Amino acid sequence: EVQLVESGGDLVQPGGPLRLSCAAYQFIFPDYWMSWVRQAPGKGLEWVASINEDGTEKYYVDSVKGRFSISRDNADHSVSLQINNVRDEDTAVYYCVRVHRRAFDIWGQGTLVTVSS
Amino acid sequence: SYEVTQPPSVSVSPGQTATITCSGQSLGDKYVSWYQQQPGQSPVLVLYRDTERPSGIPQRFYGSNSGNTATLTISGAHTTDEADYFCQAWDSSTALVVFGGGTKLTVL
Repeated sequence: EVQLVESGGDLVQPGGPLRLSCAAYQFIFPDYWMSWVRQAPGKGLEWVASINEDGTEKYYVDSVKGRFSISRDNADHSVSLQINNVRDEDTAVYYCVRVHRRAFDIWGQGTLVTVSS
Repeated sequence: SYEVTQPPSVSVSPGQTATITCSGQSLGDKYVSWYQQQPGQSPVLVLYRDTERPSGIPQRFYGSNSGNTATLTISGAHTTDEADYFCQAWDSSTALVVFGGGTKLTVL
C-alpha cells in the first residue's frame, strides 16, 4: 500500500528546534516531489514547503522562510522538515504529502506539533 | 501574495447539486485541485488539474476552472459527502502553492 508515515511531532517550547520526519512506502520515491502541509487546530490547510525529486529545488511559504528547512534522502525514502525558533503560530498538525501533477495525491496521517511554554 | 477565496459554508439537501467556488486573480491560468476532509481525518484529493478525478472518486464529483473562478460540483449529493472542502492552486511559474480557506458542505 502506498503510504506516508510522519513522526517527530512533540510539545516544544517557543524558540526551540524540532525535526519532523516522513517515511514513504510502496512507491518510487525519487520520482516525486514531496511537500509538507500544516493545519492549525480548527483551521484550514496551509502549504509549508516543497522539494523536487533530487532535492536541488526547495520552496517555502513566506511565513516560514529562514526558520524551516525541507530535505530528503532518496536512498532512505524519507523527507524531513527542520523547524527552528518555533513560534506559537507553528502549532498545528503537519502532514507529509506526495506531489503528483501539481496536486497532493497521498497524505500521511499527520503529526502534531504543540508550541507552549 | 496570491490568495484564493472560498465561501465558508454551502448547504444542500440530499440528491441536490452542490456547487463550491474558489476565486482568485487569473485563477484560470493555474492548475486547481480540490480536497475533501472528513472530521478527524487527513484530506483526500478529489479533483486535480481542474477537472481530473483520481481513481476511486465518484463521477458525481466534477470541476471547472476559467477566468477568476474554479468550481467543484457534486451532483446528487450524498449525506456521506458532508465534509470540509479545500481548493488549492499551484503556480507553475513559481512552484508556490496556496489553499483556500475551506468550505463546510452540509448535506441535510
